[in-house]
Amino acid sequence: KNEVEQSPQNLTAQEGEFITINCSYSVGISALHWLQQHPGGGIVSLFMLSSGKKKHGRLIATINIQEKHSSLHITASHPRDSAVYICAVSSYAGGTSYGKLTFGQGTILTVHP
Amino acid sequence: DTGVSQNPRHKITKRGQNVTFRCDPISEHNRLYWYRQTLGQGPEFLTYFQNEAQLEKSRLLSDRFSAERPKGSFSTLEIQRTEQGDSAMYLCASSLVGRGWGPGSSYEQYFGPGTRLTVT
Repeated sequence: KNEVEQSPQNLTAQEGEFITINCSYSVGISALHWLQQHPGGGIVSLFMLSSGKKKHGRLIATINIQEKHSSLHITASHPRDSAVYICAVSSYAGGTSYGKLTFGQGTILTVHP
Repeated sequence: DTGVSQNPRHKITKRGQNVTFRCDPISEHNRLYWYRQTLGQGPEFLTYFQNEAQLEKSRLLSDRFSAERPKGSFSTLEIQRTEQGDSAMYLCASSLVGRGWGPGSSYEQYFGPGTRLTVT
């Protein structure tokens, strides 16, 4: 079982729909990251969170530390949101924050006009 | 531009050849990470540096792989005797060093555009 699991792996939506991508993890973390990757490879950090909820524009990320679960929501989706969304965690062990990321497999989102 | 840069962006090489990639992190970032991503998969950790010290290497990093970060600035990743299985996107990221441990101790990582390696 992977340390970070995302669902769904593929998601197709119509423009304007509300979208949710889920992430579950099994290790102790110092932070959970939501990343966006467009075709061609570049990765952009959307959120880094260790508790509660963060919002940026139409994007909302939440995390439940007790349940080891996070969700990324996109309100009023748009074709330009089409990308791969990746959940990643930075774990800690032995009292040191290593910072290295462990990634989920990614969710391929396609938003049709 | 003060982001993370990687060179080259694309590299095609023949099996058995050596290749070297370069990563220039954000100047004030003391942590530098290398990750590898194969098609359809999420990235996987390879190694990371804090300043010039290489603090951890993944089991994915065979003896053919070596990474350096002289003077704690740019980093190079060399692959010797390349194999077709080495074909992947090699990603570099940088960050500030974490504060202590536990929730809230991490800093955001900034990624470069990646170097896509194709071994023929």
